[in-house]
Amino acid sequence: DAGVIQSPRHEVTEMGQEVTLRCKPISGHDYLFWYRQTMMRGLELLIYFNNNVPIDDSGMPEDRFSAKMPNASFSTLKIQPSEPRDSAVYFCASSLITGQKLFFGSGTQLSVL
Amino acid sequence: AQRVTQPEKLLSVFKGAPVELKCNYSYSGSPELFWYVQYSRQRLQLLLRHISRESIKGFTADLNKGETSFHLKKPFAQEEDSAMYYCALAGGTSYGKLTFGQGTILTVHP
Repeated sequence: DAGVIQSPRHEVTEMGQEVTLRCKPISGHDYLFWYRQTMMRGLELLIYFNNNVPIDDSGMPEDRFSAKMPNASFSTLKIQPSEPRDSAVYFCASSLITGQKLFFGSGTQLSVL
Repeated sequence: AQRVTQPEKLLSVFKGAPVELKCNYSYSGSPELFWYVQYSRQRLQLLLRHISRESIKGFTADLNKGETSFHLKKPFAQEEDSAMYYCALAGGTSYGKLTFGQGTILTVHP
């Protein structure tokens, strides 16, 4: 398995544009997590899914952020419209239903100008 | 609510010196604690978990429920230990949810 796959690796966009980040979890993992990493706040949980169902989205900053998981092998995190303060590294991670070990993707470095 | 605090954003030591990365948590039940590490240009990965009571790469961490701490220790730091370290907590009804601290950047000088 290639592990958790995220795309794109880097995204540079202008303020107001829509941004879509993509994630493919490890096959067989029932949990999928979206985290945001910044120097100031560290690693923040945005939302997580269990069996494709959103369980906790309390970390989603505001309505501009949305996440979907249409099937067990794909999830998206969308920001519309994007703002400069959204600039961060966004990580996707997955885990087995009974385990707590998270497997992280390489992250997407987002820069909103 | 569960919370993890890592009081030091930056920690510098010399090679061969002992190192301790501090982690304190806030949680009313029985937590499960972890340390994750991110080496330069590598993915964030699990270093160790308290239930395993293991030593990984010379690192150990003991859960102290009285002090609500889970500090990461190594008696003799190596240059290859330089990385970002995150303490994390899982617990409660949302047991799948992992809450991370702010992270500590460890630099080991030669």
